[in-house]
Amino acid sequence: GQQLNQSPQSMFIQEGEDVSMNCTSSSIFNTWLWYKQDPGEGPVLLIALYKAGELTSNGRLTAQFGITRKDSFLNISASIPSDVGIYFCAGCNNAGNMLTFGGGTRLMVKP
Amino acid sequence: NAGVTQTPKFRVLKTGQSMTLLCAQDMNHEYMYWYRQDPGMGLRLIHYSVGEGTTAKGEVPDGYNVSRLKKQNFLLGLESAAPSQTSVYFCASSYDDTEAFFGQGTRLTVV
Repeated sequence: GQQLNQSPQSMFIQEGEDVSMNCTSSSIFNTWLWYKQDPGEGPVLLIALYKAGELTSNGRLTAQFGITRKDSFLNISASIPSDVGIYFCAGCNNAGNMLTFGGGTRLMVKP
Repeated sequence: NAGVTQTPKFRVLKTGQSMTLLCAQDMNHEYMYWYRQDPGMGLRLIHYSVGEGTTAKGEVPDGYNVSRLKKQNFLLGLESAAPSQTSVYFCASSYDDTEAFFGQGTRLTVV
């Protein structure tokens, strides 16, 4: 089956720092999504990307759909304590396969 | 607007017992999904449905059954629970096969 490799697995940063995480795949995807999961909650959609090369922002979050269609990046600028959580990438090839999720990046922010 | 609602939120089962997890969505979505989340494993798709009356196997379907008798409901059944099924279960729904909206999860422990 399809696999998504998400890195890093965890990050412990100082408040105010910028954060970068990425996902890579051996398969081509037509859609990349980024989710955030707070403790005890379900994942919430942050950003959706539908076109290779697309760069989309949502407040302090910026995500890019890699030009090869096999990767995607999420950047968080000026991190704050409420950014703490697990961030998941997900890809879809719109060929009858459902979303495939990466293993997640656990972000911890030190005030 | 409730979105995706899962019941129960917590459950403890003995090995061999059966149970049904309920999922309801009020967004008139065609697609519904059941995922399980285990530490370090991300989200893995158990079963999904692309419309009322249809179901399909995902990545880890063994030991589970599902039914989609009504468009707004998607039921996940465990016929004979095993300790390996201890996990957090998430239901999700989507308009198409991309942007999925998640419930808050059901934490199941099998002893």
